Amino acid sequence: ETGVTQTPRHLVMGMTNKKSLKCEQHLGHNAMYWYKQSAKKPLELMFVYSLEERVENNSVPSRFSPECPNSSHLFLHLHTLQPEDSALYLCASSQIQGVDSGANVLTFGAGSRLTVL
Amino acid sequence: AQKITQTQPGMFVQEKEAVTLDCTYDTSDPSYGLFWYKQPSSGEMIFLIYQGSYDQQNATEGRYSLNFQKARKSANLVISASQLGDSAMYFCAMREWNSNSGYALNFGKGTSLLVTP
Repeated sequence: ETGVTQTPRHLVMGMTNKKSLKCEQHLGHNAMYWYKQSAKKPLELMFVYSLEERVENNSVPSRFSPECPNSSHLFLHLHTLQPEDSALYLCASSQIQGVDSGANVLTFGAGSRLTVL
Repeated sequence: AQKITQTQPGMFVQEKEAVTLDCTYDTSDPSYGLFWYKQPSSGEMIFLIYQGSYDQQNATEGRYSLNFQKARKSANLVISASQLGDSAMYFCAMREWNSNSGYALNFGKGTSLLVTP
């Protein structure tokens, strides 16, 4: 496998369920990201992991819990979600180098389409 | 506050014609990067082109070019010789240095491009 792989591609869950989204990157990158894409909003940055340490948590509700066990894997654990959490969740990775380096391109996965009933 | 503005929710272009997608940004940081991504209906975000704030020349990548006007804080994407496969959502994004999130991108709301035969 190459690039950034996200599973599952589609997930339907009730508000009381617990589920996890998985992201795996095969690019040797050292940073990983979770973004949320809702129908009427720009992409929202949720979490950033750099060198396996969380460096950003953009006021995300605690019902979303990220985990980065190593530089290649990123999880988003979901529990007691609300219908408004239904969205496309995009994972991305990048190789952090200089401040103004074109090499800091984010490579995205195909996303996990989440529906909360 | 919205830092990336894409004023065109939807655009039409005829096949083989050129099209310009608008993007303006707001930052006080002298060092930043500007990106364009394409998102087809499959959901995956595809990197198209990058422009660094210190780059003297406009970036080009095949049929894509970026019209960078620093004083106006605009970074318009020009697609030449449009193809039917160019129909997709197009997102402008900016990377500023942030002590927390480092190199994460902030995205605009996107422009939906439809290429007609």
